Amino acid sequence: ELKVEQNPLFLSMQEGKNYTIYCNYSTTSDRLYWYRQDPGKSLESLFVLLSNGAVKQEGRLMASLDTKARLSTLHITAAVHDLSATYFCAGPPKETSGSRLTFGEGTQLTVNP
Amino acid sequence: KAGVTQTPRYLIKTRGQQVTLSCSPISGHRSVSWYQQTPGQGLQFLFEYFSETQRNKGNFPGRFSGRQFSNSRSEMNVSTLELGDSALYLCASGRDNGSPLHFGNGTRLTVT
Repeated sequence: ELKVEQNPLFLSMQEGKNYTIYCNYSTTSDRLYWYRQDPGKSLESLFVLLSNGAVKQEGRLMASLDTKARLSTLHITAAVHDLSATYFCAGPPKETSGSRLTFGEGTQLTVNP
Repeated sequence: KAGVTQTPRYLIKTRGQQVTLSCSPISGHRSVSWYQQTPGQGLQFLFEYFSETQRNKGNFPGRFSGRQFSNSRSEMNVSTLELGDSALYLCASGRDNGSPLHFGNGTRLTVT
């Protein structure tokens, strides 16, 4: 059974600073997703990482995947207030087909002025 | 392009009642999944439907059921509601090719 763990669960940072959110998963997974959720809103897809060493960047966010270490990271560069949200990583359990995802607990990010 | 549409947005029910939630996927998406989100348990997978067949099921009691229609629209039903069923229920649709799921705005269910 796939288990996905994120850390930290809560992150308060100042604008302009850099930080990294970590996502560890327990069993082999052939792809890894990152989603963002604003309070009271739905989940918005940020990245899908499909292979070992994959790196995707969008604005101040960069995600990477290391399948050997079973680790994905979401790096935030020069944070701004608009990035305040909860970030989830998720992966498909290897033993199932289809679109089922197992989500991490989420990292609640607050960017302070 | 219209996104995933869930109705209703909010529901208040009492214990013992049943409820039906509806989801219209993005046009062309044949996979529809349902998730329950609570502060304590996070996002938990309920079930997935593809071409009117349940393809995956999470670890929820039989009170939780769903179906998918020929136009890919899906419904989920919860019978004999319990207080612990209070949650945000999210529907997601996808192309079933590994591309990211698209989530609806959810139905907030409160059981009193």
